[in-house]
Amino acid sequence: QVQLVESGGGVVQPGRSLRLSCAASRFTFSSSAMHWVRQAPGKGLEWVAVISHDGSKKYYADSVKGRFTLSRDNSRNTLYLQMNSLRPEDTAVYYCATDGRYDYYMDVWGTGTTVTVS
Amino acid sequence: QTVVTQEPSLSVSPGGTVTLTCGLSSGSVSTRFYPSWYQQTPGQAPRTLIYSTNTRSSGVPDRFSGSILGNKAALTITGAQPDDESDYYCMLYVPSGFSWVFGGGTKLTVL
Repeated sequence: QVQLVESGGGVVQPGRSLRLSCAASRFTFSSSAMHWVRQAPGKGLEWVAVISHDGSKKYYADSVKGRFTLSRDNSRNTLYLQMNSLRPEDTAVYYCATDGRYDYYMDVWGTGTTVTVS
Repeated sequence: QTVVTQEPSLSVSPGGTVTLTCGLSSGSVSTRFYPSWYQQTPGQAPRTLIYSTNTRSSGVPDRFSGSILGNKAALTITGAQPDDESDYYCMLYVPSGFSWVFGGGTKLTVL
């Protein structure tokens, strides 16, 4: 059973930084592209970013472009989201998810970590 | 900017059939957008139901089906169960921008 566990969330002041982690297990992490998706309190889902299996390609939503940076360490089976210049509107639960490869969807989801910018 | 539209809320009787739709504010949804559907209950992570228009994810009951109806993607639940009361999100892949866009979600009530 694929497992994804996010961590690193917390309360942070506007303008500060935070780094989220997503620890992956029970699948070949180095072969899978990975996404981050967030959900503001009481709101819908919002795609944030995707990184290719080898980290060579990264794409971001306009709302986070230039402030958030994706990276991954395939030797540690871990995905990272570096979030800089945080804003109150970045307050959300952040989920990592495996990519559905050639069908452009999110396959398996983590349980999420909560970020509060206040 | 791509805006994906969904019904804010729908209701269905237990055992009944309901269709949720997923459209574009400008244009038609087709298979090239690889529509997918996700179910979420309060406080839980989303669960993948349907991908690539009509392929059920592993373990998803066959009462859930996906299709293109007219100019929209659709999720049909046939024989709704009380446990199907959830929020449902569709998502489209946007090839031109290599990005993904979620709809606002449909809150489904089973009563």
